[in-house]
Amino acid sequence: DSGVTQTPKHLITATGQRVTLRCSPRSGDLSVYWYQQSLDQGLQFLIQYYNGEERAKGNILERFSAQQFPDLHSELNLSSLELGDSALYFCASSPRLNTGELFFGEGSRLTVL
Amino acid sequence: AQTVTQSQPEMSVQEAETVTLSCTYDTSESNYYLFWYKQPPSRQMILVIRQEAYKQQNATENRFSVNFQKAAKSFSLKISDSQLGDTAMYFCAFMKQYAGGTSYGKLTFGQGTILTVHP
Repeated sequence: DSGVTQTPKHLITATGQRVTLRCSPRSGDLSVYWYQQSLDQGLQFLIQYYNGEERAKGNILERFSAQQFPDLHSELNLSSLELGDSALYFCASSPRLNTGELFFGEGSRLTVL
Repeated sequence: AQTVTQSQPEMSVQEAETVTLSCTYDTSESNYYLFWYKQPPSRQMILVIRQEAYKQQNATENRFSVNFQKAAKSFSLKISDSQLGDTAMYFCAFMKQYAGGTSYGKLTFGQGTILTVHP
């Protein structure tokens, strides 16, 4: 158990809908990262927050947004869902900005029908 | 931009044997980290081993060791005394190290290698 908690573990929804994925980092970790894993794109970095502030952005679509709250949990919002958004979405956390070590949650499996 | 290439989509090994997974990367950066992550069927990503580019000594973690060749941009993982629990997808990953030793968690992953350990 990495200490990173993601909910829900599985989610099935329809095209055009909006979903929110939630992540609670390890106790004391200030950084939260979101990654997308799909069969065709592999593992892609989406976005990173540090202590509530956005720090780095990757290949995140405009239909997607994220935030980190004062209690350090984070949410990834996916809207106007398309079939191609079906993927495993991972959250990871790390204790310091200058660390190279990330701790991943078990992921949220999103299926868009 | 950095790229990470794992040329072996699948590998298999007998229990107790040794196996080496290959990884090459391309970058113009001088300071970076390299990682091997393991993703078992439970799907959680687990850090196996980590190497800082400025360190010449190869990292070792119990049965796992790396062969880091910076000039060749090669970073292979050796698993000794393979166990059934080592069966998983293994990902090689790269992270740039910014000035002051900071990093921003932007891992660039390879395509992965599925390792199956047979009894």
